[in-house]
Amino acid sequence: GENVEQHPSTLSVQEGDSAVIKCTYSDSASNYFPWYKQELGKRPQLIIDIRSNVGEKKDQRIAVTLNKTAKHFSLHITETQPEDSAVYFCAASKPSGGGGNKLTFGTGTQLKVEL
Amino acid sequence: DTEVTQTPKHLVMGMTNKKSLKCEQHMGHRAMYWYKQKAKKPPELMFVYSYEKLSINESVPSRFSPECPNSSLLNLHLHALQPEDSALYLCASSQAEGQQFFGPGTRLTVL
Repeated sequence: GENVEQHPSTLSVQEGDSAVIKCTYSDSASNYFPWYKQELGKRPQLIIDIRSNVGEKKDQRIAVTLNKTAKHFSLHITETQPEDSAVYFCAASKPSGGGGNKLTFGTGTQLKVEL
Repeated sequence: DTEVTQTPKHLVMGMTNKKSLKCEQHMGHRAMYWYKQKAKKPPELMFVYSYEKLSINESVPSRFSPECPNSSLLNLHLHALQPEDSALYLCASSQAEGQQFFGPGTRLTVL
């Protein structure tokens, strides 16, 4: 099955700095790569996603890049703010066959933005 | 309505109890999911329903029994659980193979 590795497990940055989180996946059939932010005690919320036919996607301060050949994708957050502090999960997804998609999550990155 | 709702928010049950978790969405999504999340860990997929039919069971023990009564509802029936089953149970829904929207979860404690 799919295996998703995520690094680093913890990341501490100063407010205003950039943060980068990296993930690798193993299954070449995976074609959808979402990133979720989960604050303590809250549900995972999608912050950005990318499909395998696209190399890069940007939404304001957040960007994701995908290298299909190397099977890795990265999350970039610029001008970090204290409210960016949370756990970030990458995921790789492929169709489940009968409809829907099967998400495999990375192990998570605890991001702390310090004042 | 762009939310997935789950009830109850918290549940405490003994190992001999039978209880059910409920999930509802009114976004017209035809795929619904159950995940289990332990503290400081990622969500782990348990079941996938597509068009009200079970399409994936990730080798989940039979003490967890999913049910999809209609396209908007998803239940998870619990029976004879173990303390190690204590976790946050998340429901999600998606339109086919797109973005999955998560509910707030049910925090389950098994005594």
